Amino acid sequence: QKEVEQNSGPLSVPEGAIASLNCTYSDRGSQSFFWYRQYSGKSPELIMFIYSNGDKEDGRFTAQLNKASQYVSLLIRDSQPSDSATYLCAVNPGKAAGNKLTFGGGTRVLVKP
Amino acid sequence: DTAVSQTPKYLVTQMGNDKSIKCEQNLGHDTMYWYKQDSKKFLKIMFSYNNKELIINETVPNRFSPKSPDKAHLNLHINSLELGDSAVYFCASSQATSGRVEEQFFGPGTRLTVL
Repeated sequence: QKEVEQNSGPLSVPEGAIASLNCTYSDRGSQSFFWYRQYSGKSPELIMFIYSNGDKEDGRFTAQLNKASQYVSLLIRDSQPSDSATYLCAVNPGKAAGNKLTFGGGTRVLVKP
Repeated sequence: DTAVSQTPKYLVTQMGNDKSIKCEQNLGHDTMYWYKQDSKKFLKIMFSYNNKELIINETVPNRFSPKSPDKAHLNLHINSLELGDSAVYFCASSQATSGRVEEQFFGPGTRLTVL
């Protein structure tokens, strides 16, 4: 059973629309949650983190966390062609587990002009 | 200024060879990691070191041996390379905090191809 699950996509979104990405995780004791963006052939770069239930906004990005449902999502508003990338959800179980990030398989997003 | 650097960027080698990948970070972080990203893009932790001490050792063949000469460097040596070792290997670093969030910064990756 995968510990962090994401829809692999591709998620095709018209330019200017909202892209909605979902992630579920199995470890109920997970402490913090991250969204990384990875362009093809490049390394992952952090775009958002969240550790409290609710919404967290940063520019065009909003992360949403629901620990009861073990669900974290990322919304990208006003999607741009430059947002086309693979988005990786990562879950950190906390210091007791060595702060080991467990990644989902990523959702590929294609923003069409 | 490169924060996390890896060498080499590309590595093509024959089965059975031994190779090393080097990683250095100039962020002053005390924790470093090795990840493997396979052809299906799954990014999986292999090892992590905190202040030169091994913290995480996932189920990785013992042909893989990490070495941390100091907290700014974490190298990965691979013996008797196999076809299945072909992947992109990422080094990352983070700074331990008292809070819950520790952002990991990734290096550019080393694409290893075993023929």
